[in-house]
Amino acid sequence: KNQVEQSPQSLIILEGKNCTLQCNYTVSPFSNLRWYKQDTGRGPVSLTIMTFSENTKSNGRYTATLDADTKQSSLHITASQLSDSASYICVVSAGGYNKLIFGAGTRLAVHP
Amino acid sequence: EAGVAQSPRYKIIEKRQSVAFWCNPISGHATLYWYQQILGQGPKLLIQFQNNGVVDDSQLPKDRFSAERLKGVDSTLKIQPAKLEDSAVYLCASSSLAGENEQFFGPGTRLTVL
Repeated sequence: KNQVEQSPQSLIILEGKNCTLQCNYTVSPFSNLRWYKQDTGRGPVSLTIMTFSENTKSNGRYTATLDADTKQSSLHITASQLSDSASYICVVSAGGYNKLIFGAGTRLAVHP
Repeated sequence: EAGVAQSPRYKIIEKRQSVAFWCNPISGHATLYWYQQILGQGPKLLIQFQNNGVVDDSQLPKDRFSAERLKGVDSTLKIQPAKLEDSAVYLCASSSLAGENEQFFGPGTRLTVL
């Protein structure tokens, strides 16, 4: 069964600190993995996309890693800002027709 | 470039009533998706259209949910009759082609069933 599991479920950090969010997946056939940011009351917005051959990809203060052997990904946020408060959703594409398998998300709260 | 538009943004109805949501995808996007997102969970695909044809509706509760995309552009999702467990955010997304392309999401419609 195609599944995406994320941890932690929620996280509170202080402004300026770093944090790492985890994603484990069992999806076949694997096509790509995206991290989405979903602000409250809005739809998800793609932060990064990684294919099978990519190990790391950065987008500003966001850095995603992918280990295709262990089927794990992480999203590292550097020097967090209040605007980083959101849900971060790991999404794996199961090849063909862009079928997406969503994780439940990690709810991040950045406090001043 | 205009994003995915959805309306209404919020809807409150009583159980057993009917409700319809509307979505206008990004211009030129052939593929349109409807998702249901229950509070605290990730989105769940309800139905996927490729132009005006249905690609995947395996998770659509067809006894009460229906969707159409008659001209291959905008789409409506209907629930008739609504149940309490239908309370959720309904997200519409579109992508330029089926395959490994980014999906762009609308702001969603938050439905509350009382």
